[in-house]
Amino acid sequence: DIQMTQSPSSLSASVGDRVTITCRASQSISSYLNWYQQKPGKAPELLIYAASSLQSGVPSRFSGSGSGTDFTLTISSLQPEDFATYYCQQSYTAPLTFGGGTKVEIK
Amino acid sequence: VQLVESGGGLVQPGGSLRLSCIASGFDFSRFWMSWVRQAPGKGLEWVANIKEDGSEKKYVDSVKGRFTISRDNAKKSLYVQMNSLRVEDTAVYYCARVGHQEVFGYNWFDPWGQGVLVTVSS
Repeated sequence: DIQMTQSPSSLSASVGDRVTITCRASQSISSYLNWYQQKPGKAPELLIYAASSLQSGVPSRFSGSGSGTDFTLTISSLQPEDFATYYCQQSYTAPLTFGGGTKVEIK
Repeated sequence: VQLVESGGGLVQPGGSLRLSCIASGFDFSRFWMSWVRQAPGKGLEWVANIKEDGSEKKYVDSVKGRFTISRDNAKKSLYVQMNSLRVEDTAVYYCARVGHQEVFGYNWFDPWGQGVLVTVSS
């Protein structure tokens, strides 16, 4: 199985900060990498697919990059509504696997 | 586009439960569908996928032989039959559509249903 490792597991940031979350795959997954945002008590929502493609309706302050084993989700200017948990997920092969999550909290 | 799950509840270890998911707002028969679960306070875990016509199914190892995913395209419905339930199956179960890009085969979960809680406890 492909293991997905996110770092950090949590971070504290202020509104307006630039935030970077990293996801590493245990083997190469090309660009088969997705990012989701989950707020407490809610279902996850897709932010980025195929490593760098922004899902329709998602603000442009979110961006994704990387290929192979190392990937990054960047929020260019953190907004109050961005405080949530973020998950990466590989879609290269079954079993489809998620990272452990990164909780973004208010500083 | 909407997905609505139902069928959750409290069940004893070793028991069974069937979850349902009704889709609306898109051509259900043209998409793979999935179940994804989340144990209380934990991360996300993919459970199972089913092809558009139901001819192909995939499962995470921990549920193989116990869970069965199925669909009824005429009813725009997705199901998972869960047998021999264990305490560790306790989770919110989400139904999700598998979006895909034809050229390179990229795929993703979008949208997700609101989720339904399954509690396995004596």
